[in-house]
Amino acid sequence: DIQMTQSPSSLSASVGDRVTITCRASRTISSSLNWYQQKPGKAPKLLIYAASSLQSGVPSRFSGSGSGAVFTLTITSLQPEDFATYYCQQCYSSPGRTFGQGTKVEI
Amino acid sequence: EMQLVESGGGLVQPGGSLRLSCAASGFTFSSYSMNWVRQAPGKGLEWLSYISSSSDTIFYADSVKGRFTISRDNAKNSLYLQMNSLRAEDTAVYYCARDAGITVAGIFYWFLDLWGRGTLVTVSS
Repeated sequence: DIQMTQSPSSLSASVGDRVTITCRASRTISSSLNWYQQKPGKAPKLLIYAASSLQSGVPSRFSGSGSGAVFTLTITSLQPEDFATYYCQQCYSSPGRTFGQGTKVEI
Repeated sequence: EMQLVESGGGLVQPGGSLRLSCAASGFTFSSYSMNWVRQAPGKGLEWLSYISSSSDTIFYADSVKGRFTISRDNAKNSLYLQMNSLRAEDTAVYYCARDAGITVAGIFYWFLDLWGRGTLVTVSS
């Protein structure tokens, strides 16, 4: 099974900061990597698919990059509504949809 | 508006059973594969099971294989999860999620693009 490891597990940031979250796969997964945002008590929301494609309606301050086994989610100019937990997910080894353990972005 | 609404959660004793439902609306349910994902209190997301649009392909995570059964009724626009032999560690919010995909440069990519709000399952005596 492919394991997904995110770093850091949590981070403190301020409004306007640039934030970068890293996701590493236990083996190469091409660009088969998605990013989700989850706020407390809410369902996850798709942000990025295929490593770097922005889901419709998601602000352009969110971006994804990487391929192979190392990926990053970047939030430029962090906004108050961006404080949440972010998860990566591999979709390479079908049908497994393995998630990373999450990164909590807090003030 | 596209929507998924889970139901059927509640308190159940260890060893008991529960059947979750997910009602879909606002899109052609029969055209999409579906998934169940859960989240234990204070923990991360765990993918549990996948079912193709016609039910001919089904997969489970090792943690629930042999205990949980996914099914769907396209005529009723509904997805189900039958959970047997429940354990304390099955306590979680259970989400249904739509499986979608797109072809980019000749490669097909999957993602979960529509989620329900979840239903809480508590396994405790």
